[in-house]
Amino acid sequence: AQSVTQPDIHITVSEGASLELRCNYSYGATPYLFWYVQSPGQGLQLLLKYFSGDTLVQGIKGFEAEFKRSQSSFNLRKPSVHWSDAAEYFCAVDSIKAAGNKLTFGGGTRVLVKP
Amino acid sequence: DTAVSQTPKYLVTQMGNDKSIKCEQNLGHDTMYWYKQDSKKFLKIMFSYNNKELIINETVPNRFSPKSPDKAHLNLHINSLELGDSAVYFCASSQEGFGQNEQFFGPGTRLTVL
Repeated sequence: AQSVTQPDIHITVSEGASLELRCNYSYGATPYLFWYVQSPGQGLQLLLKYFSGDTLVQGIKGFEAEFKRSQSSFNLRKPSVHWSDAAEYFCAVDSIKAAGNKLTFGGGTRVLVKP
Repeated sequence: DTAVSQTPKYLVTQMGNDKSIKCEQNLGHDTMYWYKQDSKKFLKIMFSYNNKELIINETVPNRFSPKSPDKAHLNLHINSLELGDSAVYFCASSQEGFGQNEQFFGPGTRLTVL
């Protein structure tokens, strides 16, 4: 069964500093990987996704993520954090079936941004 | 233009009641989903419908009954509400049910059972 682990429950970062959120997955084949962001009281918004090809993917809001098959990881990064990046971040893996894909989410990482 | 909308946004009710949450998407997608987010922010899929047909049912109690009158709507009816049903319920949709297609999420419905 697929699973996703986000080891960091909370991360506090100063505005302007870099950010890296860790994500490890367990899946039997090449996964489809996603990062979503959830602002307080809001739904989830897709930041970026990886299906195949270049292992470094660019997303919205200046985020990028790198797929490392050898480490079963898909870490999210941003070079310079803005106060508006304070949110909950979820990594997810999608099962690959003929139909009925379902996202399996990690537990989330809450990012706090200090001025 | 709201892509995926849910009503109501907040729902407070007593234990034992029956309630429904509605979801509509105007993206022309074929597949719709219900996810539950518990108090610890853990998100888990409950159901998935493709072209009005149930394709995923993740061992959810049968007090929960999804209904899809057409491709654009997926409603969630909950009978005999329990305290443990308190959560945020998210509806989502995607084009077809294949892994590479992004799921678009609604704003969520916060259900509180007293």
